Amino acid sequence: GQQVMQIPQYQHVQEGEDFTTYCNSSTTLSNIQWYKQRPGGHPVFLIQLVKSGEVKKQKRLTFQFGEAKKNSSLHITATQTTDVGTYFCAGRSGATNKLIFGTGTLLAVQP
Amino acid sequence: GAGVSQSPRYKVAKRGQDVALRCDPISGHVSLFWYQQALGQGPEFLTYFQNEAQLDKSGLPSDRFFAERPEGSVSTLKIQRTQQEDSAVYLCASSTTQGLAAAEQFFGPGTRLTVL
Repeated sequence: GQQVMQIPQYQHVQEGEDFTTYCNSSTTLSNIQWYKQRPGGHPVFLIQLVKSGEVKKQKRLTFQFGEAKKNSSLHITATQTTDVGTYFCAGRSGATNKLIFGTGTLLAVQP
Repeated sequence: GAGVSQSPRYKVAKRGQDVALRCDPISGHVSLFWYQQALGQGPEFLTYFQNEAQLDKSGLPSDRFFAERPEGSVSTLKIQRTQQEDSAVYLCASSTTQGLAAAEQFFGPGTRLTVL
């Protein structure tokens, strides 16, 4: 079945450093979403990417969708302690409403 | 306005017991999803409703799992004869849209199920 992998599993950075997580799907995606889950919390939607090669920015966050629509990345510039949490990509393929979540990347930020 | 709510927030069951988990989606949301999240893992899709119709139940692990949304609003996930491997957080999410245009999902706080 469809699998969505993320790397790295865990990243520890000093506050102010940049951070990137990569998401790879075994199948072509119709669209991809990114969610953030704080420790002990629930996933919160960040963004959706639909078009091949699409790039979207939200303040210090930059999201990219690969040309082949099988991979995506999230880059955070100048991390802050409020960025702590697990970042999940979640993809849809074909004519389905089902989201397949990635394995997640846990970000720790040291002040 | 109110978000997605789930009850109970925590449930401890003895192996073999039946449990029922409730989800109240955001009012007016057409789509409702159930996910299972094991510790340190991403949410895994269980089932999807569009109004009262269960359109996809491909993620339900076994026939011990059953979900319903009889009036197109509140949903219940029932697990019969619970086993230790059922221990996880069960997340409910709702969305305004459906089909390929479906956008963000709003998640509830989850129910943490522990089976002893």
